[in-house]
This record gives sequence, structure tokens and C-alpha cells, in this order.
Amino acid sequence: EAGVTQFPSHSVIEKGQTVTLRCDPISGHDNLYWYRRVMGKEIKFLLHFVKESKQDESGMPNNRFLAERTGGTYSTLKVQPAELEDSGVYFCASSQGLEAYEQYFGPGTRLTVT
Amino acid sequence: AQKVTQAQTEISVVEKEDVTLDCVYETRDTTYYLFWYKQPPSGELVFLIRRNSFDEQNEISGRYSWNFQKSTSSFNFTITASQVVDSAVYFCALKGIYGQNFVFGPGTRLSVLP
Repeated sequence: EAGVTQFPSHSVIEKGQTVTLRCDPISGHDNLYWYRRVMGKEIKFLLHFVKESKQDESGMPNNRFLAERTGGTYSTLKVQPAELEDSGVYFCASSQGLEAYEQYFGPGTRLTVT
Repeated sequence: AQKVTQAQTEISVVEKEDVTLDCVYETRDTTYYLFWYKQPPSGELVFLIRRNSFDEQNEISGRYSWNFQKSTSSFNFTITASQVVDSAVYFCALKGIYGQNFVFGPGTRLSVLP
């Protein structure tokens, strides 16, 4: 069974540009999460989808970030316009079930904003 | 609020030494889960262990062992006879039974020198 996949693995963009990160969860997992680790700090929660609905987006830093999960399958996280402080590693995770203590993480996308 | 503290930012040891990574957590939940993840240089998050709050038995898996002390809110991780391949960033994480997202510590970077 394929794990959580993320694309691209690395993205380098200039300040002000737009970037879209993609996450494909494990097939059948209703729960999808986005996290990010900025500049050696802790990994922080961004948001949580249950199927196509946003269950919790309390961790989204500002309105430059837009997450979607059309059809309840893959998810995209768009940053527009990107700022220098957005640089970091963006992780996606998925899980199955209501309690969902087991989250499977993807390899992450390293975003560098110059 | 939930919080995870990993006081050691970086640790360097020589191969074959034992090393303990500290993790202290804060939560008001009476039931919760604790985790350790490894992030090798390749970037992905590798699950190491999950511990339920009502199970204080220590666990050993090969060269890895975990010491859960509920009285001191600590969940320390020991690597015995460290190897170069153990070099990575290690994250301790907490998840409430009712909440869906993880709260991660800032990570400890372990360097094992040959």
C-alpha cells in the first residue's frame, strides 16, 4: 500500500510568487492534516480535513494560505503571495477513523522563499 | 493548553555511546498519547513509538528504550550503543484523545560521530 505522498519535494520561489503544494493521502483515509516546520522550530499544526470539509484550520497563519481538498481525496496548499518567513518544510499526514491517533506522515515539501 | 518541551537542542556523541533525549509535556487531558518521531537527513518523519497515558510500562525495542514517567510528565528516549545512522532530528509529540492534531516539541538534533 502506498504511503502519503507529497509533491514537489523541494520548491524554490521568489518572494511574492505563488506556490502550490500537493498531498496525496493513503487511500481510504478520511483525515488529512497539514503541518509545517519553520526554520528549525517545532512542527506546527496548520489544518485538518475530514473528507473535503475543513474540521480545524486554527493553525493557518494568515489569509495568504489556502488549503483545499476537492472530492475528499488529495489536498493542495497554496501560498500566495509567498513571504520569506514561509520558508520551511511542509508535512502532510493522513489517518483513518474517528480517534485517529495514528497519523502517517508524508516525506514533506521543503519550501524556500528567496 | 498542550505543550511539549525538548530542552536539548543539539547533542553530539561518539559512536557506541548511550544517549538519552529528554521530553517533558504539559496537558490537562487525563488520557492522551505520546509519540517519538525520527527525521533523518532525507527529511521524512519516521514513526518510532506511541504510548498511551494509562500505560506507564517502559518499552524496549532493540537499541531503543523509552521511559514514561507520568508523575514528572516526561517521556524520555534512550539509544544504547549509538550508531552513525542514528544521526537525525528526533521529535517528541503529544496528542489528546479528543483533539485531532499533534503538538510537537522543537526537536533534538542528534549527531553520532564515528
